[in-house]
Amino acid sequence: QTVVTQEPSFSVSPGGTVTLTCGLSSGSVSTSYYPSWYQQTPGQAPRTLIYSTNTRSSGVPDRFSGSILGNKAALTITGAQADDECDYYCVLYMGSGIWVFGGGTKLTVL
Amino acid sequence: EVQLVESGGGLVQPGGSLRLSCAASGFTFSSYWMSWVRQAPGKGLEWVANIKEDGSEKYYVDSVKGRFTISRDNAKNSLYLQMNSLRAEDTAVYHCASGRQLGYWGQGTLVTVSS
Repeated sequence: QTVVTQEPSFSVSPGGTVTLTCGLSSGSVSTSYYPSWYQQTPGQAPRTLIYSTNTRSSGVPDRFSGSILGNKAALTITGAQADDECDYYCVLYMGSGIWVFGGGTKLTVL
Repeated sequence: EVQLVESGGGLVQPGGSLRLSCAASGFTFSSYWMSWVRQAPGKGLEWVANIKEDGSEKYYVDSVKGRFTISRDNAKNSLYLQMNSLRAEDTAVYHCASGRQLGYWGQGTLVTVSS
């Protein structure tokens, strides 16, 4: 069974740039996996940031961008702010109607 | 403004059943796939199921196949999740979300399976 992989944790300095990735335990992520990215603060519902690889959801600042980097999907945050500190999840379409989330990345801004 | 409001969660014994509901407003419900996503306490997100606009296609994660049924009533702008044969590992906050790519999310309803 293919697993969707994310860095468990990442750290970025205020004002800095960070790239989180979303990969597969076997194979490469492409646009055909329709990677999407979600942001979640503790106790809150997730918020959609990016869908279909690089389309920003309504109201999401352009500090957040999505892409394919090498064999993974990527979420890049530029000009990191204190309130970017939370959990980030990706999801991939695995075919046959099935979607699978990654385990999430806890981002620290310090 | 898009709103998704889940209800129907609660405490249930192993082997029991629950029916979750999601009331949608602020968008044309009948034009969107709808999804359920769950999050066990302290854990990550898990996609559970989705359903096509007209209900003609439904998909499930393997762990709930044969036990959970997703359905919708477009006349009532409502999404449902019938959960049978519940197990302790089904304990989670269940969120409904719009679309296959989960554009908008509800706050969720907590399901606790315990004796």
